[in-house]
Amino acid sequence: KAGVTQTPRYLIKTRGQQVTLSCSPISGHRSVSWYQQTPGQGLQFLFEYFSETQRNKGNFPGRFSGRQFSNSRSEMNVSTLELGDSALYLCASSSGRGGQDTGELFFGEGSRLTVL
Amino acid sequence: AQSVAQPEDQVNVAEGNPLTVKCTYSVSGNPYLFWYVQYPNRGLQFLLKYITGDNLVKGSYGFEAEFNKSQTSFHLKKPSALVSDSALYFCAVKGSWGKLQFGAGTQVVVTP
Repeated sequence: KAGVTQTPRYLIKTRGQQVTLSCSPISGHRSVSWYQQTPGQGLQFLFEYFSETQRNKGNFPGRFSGRQFSNSRSEMNVSTLELGDSALYLCASSSGRGGQDTGELFFGEGSRLTVL
Repeated sequence: AQSVAQPEDQVNVAEGNPLTVKCTYSVSGNPYLFWYVQYPNRGLQFLLKYITGDNLVKGSYGFEAEFNKSQTSFHLKKPSALVSDSALYFCAVKGSWGKLQFGAGTQVVVTP
């Protein structure tokens, strides 16, 4: 079956703009987690959604938001982009009741955001 | 609070030699421990996990990891490294709090 799909794979934005990233989980998976990966900070947890509800949230400013739809697809939005938001944004899905319950996350290839 | 540490930024090993990537953790309660691998410009791939039971866990691509409760470690091992094992390896821990936390990652370089 198809894996986790993230779109777009690459994008370039300028400071002050906003961006929306999309994630389609593996069919049947109800939990979606988002991570930010940068060379300096490593993998940072953004948030997790399960059945359209945010279950966990990391330590990111309110400019970072997300949502999950009834078909389990998820989007994350970053408003008022800053240079430091340049990163690889990874989405992961899980078949468990919560994305963190079993820990076996299935990751997409990521969306690489460059902010100029 | 839970945390996970990977003390080595990079591990260099010759092909055919044993490979070890170190991981230590701190968590309340019984830990769930994981290893993931990331190839360039790719997402993370699950390698193996320890939930309970035998301290030696076998995973994908010939990798295994040993859980040591007294040393709070979960080192990843492979008896004979391949050039294709060159990648970024992440250890992760989940405690009673429920959030999966990743280490900083260890770059493995296997030379022919």
